[in-house]
Amino acid sequence: GQSLEQPSEVTAVEGAIVQINCTYQTSGFYGLSWYQQHDGGAPTFLSYNGLDGLEETGRFSSFLSRSDSYGYLLLQELQMKDSASYFCAPWMDSSYKLIFGSGTRLLVRP
Amino acid sequence: NAGVTQTPKFQVLKTGQSMTLQCAQDMNHNSMYWYRQDPGMGLRLIYYSASEGTTDKGEVPNGYNVSRLNKREFSLRLESAAPSQTSVYFCASSAGTGYNEQFFGPGTRLTVL
Repeated sequence: GQSLEQPSEVTAVEGAIVQINCTYQTSGFYGLSWYQQHDGGAPTFLSYNGLDGLEETGRFSSFLSRSDSYGYLLLQELQMKDSASYFCAPWMDSSYKLIFGSGTRLLVRP
Repeated sequence: NAGVTQTPKFQVLKTGQSMTLQCAQDMNHNSMYWYRQDPGMGLRLIYYSASEGTTDKGEVPNGYNVSRLNKREFSLRLESAAPSQTSVYFCASSAGTGYNEQFFGPGTRLTVL
């Protein structure tokens, strides 16, 4: 079967660093994507890890460990506009399908 | 370059009514997808089209049909709406093989009474 686990909510202070963890159990795993969704908005792509290790894009970094079926999204220098839901999404085999979990709601406080 | 567009933005239906949700993309993408998002449930794949002329079931296809009209357009039809289909529906597209970044439309908020 397939399963995804992320914390449901995380709260952090503006300017701080926060890490959102994701553990997965899927068949035919290719890589791990992260998407951001603001309330009332559409999901937008943040990052993708096809290989183990860290990928950095500005204030955001994403990490993958295939052997541990684990990844995380790291957000640095948090801003109020980072308050949103964050979804990890394993990419499944060659069927072009992403599997989305329930997401982590991040609240950034002043 | 509008990206992915969806119509309508909002819709209220009565149980048993039918409707079609329209989706179009102008990025020359091969693959298109329909998702539904219920509160606290994340996104669930309803149907997808890996390329023009093909469609496949996703995680929750029951009660829905799709048509890949051409490379740009992918529609979702509810033949007999049920209250359980009250949700936000998102259409997405991606370049296709080897590309995992999906571009989402703004969504259609559907309520079935």
